[in-house]
Amino acid sequence: AQTVTQSQPEMSVQEAETVTLSCTYDTSESDYYLFWYKQPPSRQMILVIRQEAYKQQNATENRFSVNFQKAAKSFSLKISDSQLGDAAMYFCAYRFSIPVSMIYNQGGKLIFGQGTELSVKP
Amino acid sequence: GAGVSQSPSNKVTEKGKDVELRCDPISGHTALYWYRQSLGQGLEFLIYFQGNSAPDKSGLPSDRFSAERTGGSVSTLTIQRTQQEDSAVYLCASSLAGRGETQYFGPGTRLLVL
Repeated sequence: AQTVTQSQPEMSVQEAETVTLSCTYDTSESDYYLFWYKQPPSRQMILVIRQEAYKQQNATENRFSVNFQKAAKSFSLKISDSQLGDAAMYFCAYRFSIPVSMIYNQGGKLIFGQGTELSVKP
Repeated sequence: GAGVSQSPSNKVTEKGKDVELRCDPISGHTALYWYRQSLGQGLEFLIYFQGNSAPDKSGLPSDRFSAERTGGSVSTLTIQRTQQEDSAVYLCASSLAGRGETQYFGPGTRLLVL
């Protein structure tokens, strides 16, 4: 079974500084997707960034970037120029790539890590 | 366009009562997921709907939990004879059909069973 591990329950960063959140996963699949979601106190899960396993290039979205190490099964999130609004719970998630024949009866459920609570100090 | 909506936002009920939680997915999204977020278990998958196909119920924790999706759009998650361990945030997500489509989440329903 696939598992996702976030070993940092809490992290803190100074405003404008850079912080890296760690995530490791375990799978025997070769084709899958990885995601980072942000959950502020409002409870709304917001997609931060996604990575396709078949792509060697690390995904980037403005101040957010990932370090995807497929062989090591590691998927860390780097937040540059941290802002007060970045404070939230961050979840790493894994989803295997569904065979086309299975899409209609086996959904690509997300498997989440335990989360890392990020605080940003002004 | 509008995102995923869920109602009620919060629900307090007494042990043994039945509750219904509603999810309205993004228009055009044929895939719909329910997840549960609790302190002890983290985020866990409950059920998946895709179009008119039979749902994947593999994540439902007991037969007290059921869900339906009417007309391929709105979904209702029903918990019968609620127990205190059912207290959690219930999250709904929707996506387009596809191998790696991103799931978009609603704001969740916080359920408290007294």
